[in-house]
Amino acid sequence: EVQLLESGGGLVQPGGSLRLSCAASGFIFSDHYMDWVRQAPGKGPEWVARIRDRSKSYSTEYAASVKGRFSISRDDSENSLYLQMNSLKTEDTAVYYCARGENWGGYRYFDFWGRGTLVTVSS
Amino acid sequence: DIQMTQSPSSLSASVGDRVTITCRASQGIRNHLAWFQQKPGKAPKSLIKAASNLQSGVPSKFSGSGSGTDFTLTISSLQPEDFATYYCLQYDTYPLTFGGGTRVEI
Repeated sequence: EVQLLESGGGLVQPGGSLRLSCAASGFIFSDHYMDWVRQAPGKGPEWVARIRDRSKSYSTEYAASVKGRFSISRDDSENSLYLQMNSLKTEDTAVYYCARGENWGGYRYFDFWGRGTLVTVSS
Repeated sequence: DIQMTQSPSSLSASVGDRVTITCRASQGIRNHLAWFQQKPGKAPKSLIKAASNLQSGVPSKFSGSGSGTDFTLTISSLQPEDFATYYCLQYDTYPLTFGGGTRVEI
């Protein structure tokens, strides 16, 4: 059974930093692209970042709203995904989901999501 | 960025009704569109990928169609457990973008 379990959320002041983790199990983690998606209270989901697999040199993509402040990484030996968030703003307040990028026809969509971890940026 | 416009933003329907939700992309995305269902307090659940391919384990009352810029999600016979918000996602071009959602009320 595919499982994704996020952790590391909490309350942080504007300008602060936080590191989110996602523990994966039930599938071959190293074979998959992985993503972070967030959802602000009462809003729709917003894609945040993607990291490709080893065959693509772990290359990354970011939403413009977080580029230069957030960094996605992974540790295939630990089946773990990370999101380092710096210079946090109040508008970064959201539930952050870890999602698996499944390949269908050469393009990746999200087929499994974790339960999410809440990040609140407030003074 | 590719804008995804969903309509309607909300709808009310009765059990047994056929419901159709549309999603329009601001530029062509081939068939690189997915649909998700989200219930309150839960993570989104994948329903359909590549516009018309049902995700494993999803009941056949859900179906999708479309290509290019115009897409639809249809629920053939609405049941109480289908009360949820539905989102489309384009995964053709970065940044990946979601539609604004359609809230389905029973």
